[in-house]
Amino acid sequence: QLQLQESGPGLVKPSETLSLTCTVSGGSISSSSYYWGWIRQPPGKGLEWIGTIYYSGSTYYNPSLKSRVTISIDTSKNQFSLKLTSVTAADTAVYYCARVSYDSDGYYFIDYWGQGTLVTVSS
Amino acid sequence: QSVLTQPPSASGTPGQRVSISCSGSSSNIGSNTVNWYQQLPGTAPKLLIYSNNQRPSGVPDRFSGSKSGTSASLAISGLQSEDEADYYCATWDDSLNGWVFGGGTRLTVL
Repeated sequence: QLQLQESGPGLVKPSETLSLTCTVSGGSISSSSYYWGWIRQPPGKGLEWIGTIYYSGSTYYNPSLKSRVTISIDTSKNQFSLKLTSVTAADTAVYYCARVSYDSDGYYFIDYWGQGTLVTVSS
Repeated sequence: QSVLTQPPSASGTPGQRVSISCSGSSSNIGSNTVNWYQQLPGTAPKLLIYSNNQRPSGVPDRFSGSKSGTSASLAISGLQSEDEADYYCATWDDSLNGWVFGGGTRLTVL
């Protein structure tokens, strides 16, 4: 059974960089069949896609966050990571890592989610 | 303001059938498939419906999805108390070149 687990600091100071890692177990992050991504959810609010990465390193970012986001992948460790720079209180959220699959017609869907980790931006 | 529009709330009594709508545009729902997620309190979202109307293994057939034009709908029949959760629609947006979500619908079982 595929599992994804987020890890990283739960508290980040304003203007600093938020860094999270997602460790994948029960499956290979190097598979050409999947993408891997980050989604966040501010407390009491809805879901926001942050970005997606392929095992080759190709990335897609939310245009509203693109200038501050970097997603990278380490196939040797079966991990992928998120860096979000110059954070403010508005970046306080539960951050989820997830797997993206596609159906027989080539349409994508997010099928597995990590349990999520709360990151609070505060001094 | 979410790209996809969902009603903020819905409700029903046990055994009833409820429907949740999701409205988008030609660049998202109109040209891609729609997925639905169930989020129980304090937990991560769980895939409920993918590719408009497909259920992953383990999801009861009480849950069904449909799509027409730039709108989609999730239907839950035989409503149960454990269905009380937040429900989100999602799809790819060709203009944004990224995933977009609805604002979520909180389902209350009366």
